[in-house]
Order: sequence, then structure tokens, then C-alpha cells
Amino acid sequence: DQQVKQNSPSLSVQEGRISILNCDYTNSMFDYFLWYKKYPAEGPTFLISISSIKDKNEDGRFTVFLNKSAKHLSLHIVPSQPGDSAVYFCAASASGDSWGKLQFGAGTQVVVTP
Amino acid sequence: DAGITQSPRHKVTETGTPVTLRCHQTENHRYMYWYRQDPGHGLRLIHYSYGVKDTDKGEVSDGYSVSRSKTEDFLLTLESATSSQTSVYFCAISESLHNQPQHFGDGTRLSIL
Repeated sequence: DQQVKQNSPSLSVQEGRISILNCDYTNSMFDYFLWYKKYPAEGPTFLISISSIKDKNEDGRFTVFLNKSAKHLSLHIVPSQPGDSAVYFCAASASGDSWGKLQFGAGTQVVVTP
Repeated sequence: DAGITQSPRHKVTETGTPVTLRCHQTENHRYMYWYRQDPGHGLRLIHYSYGVKDTDKGEVSDGYSVSRSKTEDFLLTLESATSSQTSVYFCAISESLHNQPQHFGDGTRLSIL
């Protein structure tokens, strides 16, 4: 049973506009969340993370928001650029016995159009 | 980029044959992981290692074994490959087990006919 869900398999956005990617989770024990970006024939590249003690983390054009009560996180990319076209995965892990065991969503394909 | 090399990058083999994939890191990180990526599933953890000779099972470990005899190398073995193990396999490393990102290699595309 998938504990991390990305319900939008694809997203198309115009260059310069905001991309918003969403991720929902079911395990209330998750306390560390990450976003990865993946180009074809390459491995996932770490983008940004957030601990459950925060509700927002920002790094340049990328901001991750965490809503613990809704078990929801989102990634905002602004402004979107053509090089942002990739598959984005959210991932989560819990403390204790599950340390290091990342659970991934199925990914969202982002296409940035001119 | 993290110094992670996976070999081979591509492999085609037949059902029933043994297959070993190698992950080599130059970062001296303690923790190493093997994932597989399949459509609709994202990445799923197969096995991980928390030190030389110390390994544990992940979510989808059946049919796979691992070994780590040196800090820098983590091997994934399919003792008798099946068609359901056709996938893209990624190795990852991290400095600590929690609250630290894992960094991934570029993957091995494995096809089992």
C-alpha cells in the first residue's frame, strides 16, 4: 500500500509561471520529507527537504510547504524554466525502525513550455 | 555531484541466470542503498547497508541479496533472475540515516528475457 501519493502524473506550465507539485501521505510517523528531480537516463537529484518541525523551507526558486494536519506537502517552483522539465518525486521517511527507508511517490512529469 | 558509479549501466540477460550489479562510491559515506524504479511505483527500497558487512532488508527484498565487503562497494545480486525483476536499479548513499538526503547514481537498466 503506497504511503506517499502524487496524484497528478503530469503537469504542463508556461515558462516564467509558477509550478505547483502536490504530494499526500498517509503515515503520520513520517517526519522528514524530500523532493527529487529526475531527468531521463539519470539518477534522481536531491532538490530540497523539510523536517516536520517546520512548515516551509525555501532554496532559491524552490519552496516546499508542509501541512501536517492535512498530511500534504507541495513544491513550488517560481519562475519555471525550460530546464525544470523533468519528473519530480516526493519522498518521506520516519524515525526509529524506518530510519533511512525512504518511501517515494510515483512521480509527476513536469513540462515547461515556451 | 556525489561520486557514485553503477555498473553495468545496461544489461540484458535470460531468466534463471545470476546477475550482480555493482555500486561504487568515492564519498566514504557509511550508508548505501539499492532501489528499483518501476512505472507507477516510484522508487522502492530493496536492501540497504549501514556499514561493512551490515545490511538489512527493504520493502521489496525477495529474490535479492546484497553484500558489502568494503565501505566503497555495495553489490546487489539476483541469484536466479525472473522477468518480474526487469527494472531500473538505483544505488544511493548518505552520510547519516535520517534527516539527510540520499544521493543517487545514474542507474542500471536491467532487462530479463
